[in-house]
Amino acid sequence: AQTVTQSQPEMSVQEAETVTLSCTYDTSENNYYLFWYKQPPSRQMILVIRQEAYKQQNATENRFSVNFQKAAKSFSLKISDSQLGDTAMYFCAFMKGHSGGGADGLTFGKGTHLIIQP
Amino acid sequence: DTAVSQTPKYLVTQMGNDKSIKCEQNLGHDTMYWYKQDSKKFLKIMFSYNNKELIINETVPNRFSPKSPDKAHLNLHINSLELGDSAVYFCASSPGDRGGGEQYFGPGTRLTVT
Repeated sequence: AQTVTQSQPEMSVQEAETVTLSCTYDTSENNYYLFWYKQPPSRQMILVIRQEAYKQQNATENRFSVNFQKAAKSFSLKISDSQLGDTAMYFCAFMKGHSGGGADGLTFGKGTHLIIQP
Repeated sequence: DTAVSQTPKYLVTQMGNDKSIKCEQNLGHDTMYWYKQDSKKFLKIMFSYNNKELIINETVPNRFSPKSPDKAHLNLHINSLELGDSAVYFCASSPGDRGGGEQYFGPGTRLTVT
């Protein structure tokens, strides 16, 4: 079974600062995906960024980037130039990959509540 | 058009009742899921369906039963509701590996059992 650990229950930074959210995971799988999801107060789950385990290059989406360290099983999220709208719960998630279709569900960490202060 | 929709968004009911939550996706995905988010915001997979076949059935009470009339729908039926069933339930869909594994979530249904 997979486990995902987010060790920071809550973080608070000033607007425009850079913040890094930590995530570690444990798995014996070699083919998998890692995700960061954002959940604002509206409770909608929004995909922030995705990383395929077989790709060495770290994923980047505008102000969001990851530091994927496969050997260390670490997958941190960096938010640059943070904005008030980034205030939300952030969940790190793991999913096994399967060839031939049909995917397992996501295994989530417990989340980090990120607060961006004006 | 909404990609993954759930009805209702809010559901308040009494202990012992039976209720259903509906989910529909218009993305043409092969796999659909149900997740439960508890009061501490922890999200856990409950079920998934791939081409109308159950492929995950986590250790949830058998009072919960997923029903999939077709590939676009995965409804969640709950019998004999208990106080501990109060939570937010999310439906999601995924194209699987061919889509990079991403899951698309519905808006959630907040279930309150009194």
